[in-house]
Amino acid sequence: SYELTQPPSVSVSPGQTASITCSGDKLGDKYAFWYQQKPGQSPVLVIYQDSKRPSGIPERFSGSNSGNTATLTISGTQAMDEADYYCQAWDSSIYVFGTGTKVTVL
Amino acid sequence: EVQLVESGGGSVQPGGSLRLSCAASGFTFSSYAMSWVRQAPGKGLEWVSDISGSGDNTYYADSVKGRFTISRDNSKNTLYLQMNSLRAEDTAVYYCAKGTDGYNWDYWGQGTLVTVSS
Repeated sequence: SYELTQPPSVSVSPGQTASITCSGDKLGDKYAFWYQQKPGQSPVLVIYQDSKRPSGIPERFSGSNSGNTATLTISGTQAMDEADYYCQAWDSSIYVFGTGTKVTVL
Repeated sequence: EVQLVESGGGSVQPGGSLRLSCAASGFTFSSYAMSWVRQAPGKGLEWVSDISGSGDNTYYADSVKGRFTISRDNSKNTLYLQMNSLRAEDTAVYYCAKGTDGYNWDYWGQGTLVTVSS
């Protein structure tokens, strides 16, 4: 079965850039999606089709996907960005989530 | 405004059954695939099941195949998940989510907690 691997945690200082990776076999051949989930809340889509931002998502969120790795980048990270982030892809009629990354803004 | 409101969660003994519902509004329900995604306490997200807009096509994660059944009533704008032969490992918050044209979800409900315990 298809697997997506993320680092368990990423720490970033306010105003700095956070990068979260998502690794999977030939992930670059598929679309990658990213969701933000704050404690006690439902997931929110922040990036779709590798690099597109839904309406209402700040410009500081960006994405890329090539080879075996998709990356979510948060530029000028703010305290409100502290959350869990999950990548997601679709493979052979099933949806796959990454293992999740906790972003801590120190 | 898109709204997804789940209901039907609760506590059940192993081997028991529950039916979850998700009432949808704010979009043309029959035009979109819908899914159930769950999250065990303190764990990550896990896709459970998916159904096409017409209801003709359904898909399941291996972990629930043969035990769970997804369905929808487009006349009532409601999505369902019938869960049978429940196990402790099915304990989770269950979210319904609205599909897009591109193999992901753009709106999620608030979730309903299912606890399987003796």
